Amino acid sequence: DTAVSQTPKYLVTQMGNDKSIKCEQNLGHDTMYWYKQDSKKFLKIMFSYNNKELIINETVPNRFSPKSPDKAHLNLHINSLELGDSAVYFCASRDYNEQFFGPGTRLTVL
Amino acid sequence: AQTVTQSQPEMSVQEAETVTLSCTYDTSESDYYLFWYKQPPSRQMILVIRQEAYKQQNATENRFSVNFQKAAKSFSLKISDSQLGDAAMYFCAYRLSGTASKLTFGTGTRLQVTL
Repeated sequence: DTAVSQTPKYLVTQMGNDKSIKCEQNLGHDTMYWYKQDSKKFLKIMFSYNNKELIINETVPNRFSPKSPDKAHLNLHINSLELGDSAVYFCASRDYNEQFFGPGTRLTVL
Repeated sequence: AQTVTQSQPEMSVQEAETVTLSCTYDTSESDYYLFWYKQPPSRQMILVIRQEAYKQQNATENRFSVNFQKAAKSFSLKISDSQLGDAAMYFCAYRLSGTASKLTFGTGTRLQVTL
């Protein structure tokens, strides 16, 4: 009965490749997020969707494209991967009070 | 823009002792939330405690409590009776109220618990 799940948990790929990370929540929340945690553990918002509509789009390269097919899913597609994209990517969903995080996806670009 | 500052990159506490982690934030808003998240080596983000800015009473969750000083924009976390399982990264975070709001995190404090 996982609340927020992400696949895959680990992703190792070569520079220049295109990859996707999937996120699903079964909490019935309307709002979902993508956060990036860099090698120094700093966490920063990337995107947020509310009811399939993009509401937050921080300064992120346009190689990153979120997609929300329905309010339970928020996927992240990354084109032309670069070394600097190596990080842990967290999906989260939110009720009125709290954000619930997925387990994270560790992306390593070689 | 809102910012969150954690000035202690690392802290150490002996088992069963008490430790306080510091956090300050900068905002011109009056309606917001503050959080402490724990991230153990498993990397899962775990909510430790939440404080609504409009509440004067400090939040408490078992061994975890906060000292919320709204005027000073300070939000420290006190861990009492520290346990080995408390060893983790601790992140302070801020969020405005409202749908289109995001968590803004501090840089984290790594807490070590020793025997």
